[in-house]
Amino acid sequence: DTGVSQDPRHKITKRGQNVTFRCDPISEHNRLYWYRQTLGQGPEFLTYFQNEAQLEKSRLLSDRFSAERPKGSFSTLEIQRTEQGDSAMYLCASRGGDFYNEQFFGPGTRLTVL
Amino acid sequence: ILNVEQSPQSLHVQEGDSTNFTCSFPSSNFYALHWYRWETAKSPEALFVMTLNGDEKKKGRISATLNTKEGYSYLYIKGSQPEDSATYLCASLNDYKLSFGAGTTVTVRA
Repeated sequence: DTGVSQDPRHKITKRGQNVTFRCDPISEHNRLYWYRQTLGQGPEFLTYFQNEAQLEKSRLLSDRFSAERPKGSFSTLEIQRTEQGDSAMYLCASRGGDFYNEQFFGPGTRLTVL
Repeated sequence: ILNVEQSPQSLHVQEGDSTNFTCSFPSSNFYALHWYRWETAKSPEALFVMTLNGDEKKKGRISATLNTKEGYSYLYIKGSQPEDSATYLCASLNDYKLSFGAGTTVTVRA
């Protein structure tokens, strides 16, 4: 396992369409995070899983956003009825071990909503 | 959401020069301070995780210090090289989630 992977790397969609992103974490990591990063800002926390349980959702995550981690391995982030304001880099990270440990990030999915 | 601030937003450094930049964070309910390096088209990569006041960590030519009482951390790059060009992100750990600053983008000129 060489690290966290995300698919696709880039996604261009029209406003109103649904999109789904996938994240494959490091296999032994039981904690998985989603972040969103817009131009000029740092990554902002969206949601967090411990194994298959979604433990926290940011208020940034509107009802159009849903995330799953069905078997405690890979995770998906779906955005329904995309809006131009959803255009951003969506980052996934995973962590194992102790509470303070570093998070390992994927390369991100760049979403552009036209 | 914690207010983590980084300055400057960007800086240009001549190859061989040393530089440093700042991360400030709320000192209350502090658990840890993370530094990440994010090169274009790559994944953010962890540099340091620091937890204790007075912590100093070093990796090659890059080092960092931590002051939890006043809520700041410095990152130092000694003898900058073109491969040091990247955005450096700091993040404060509160409970289980990281709050990131906007980053300092470093460009090293040959």
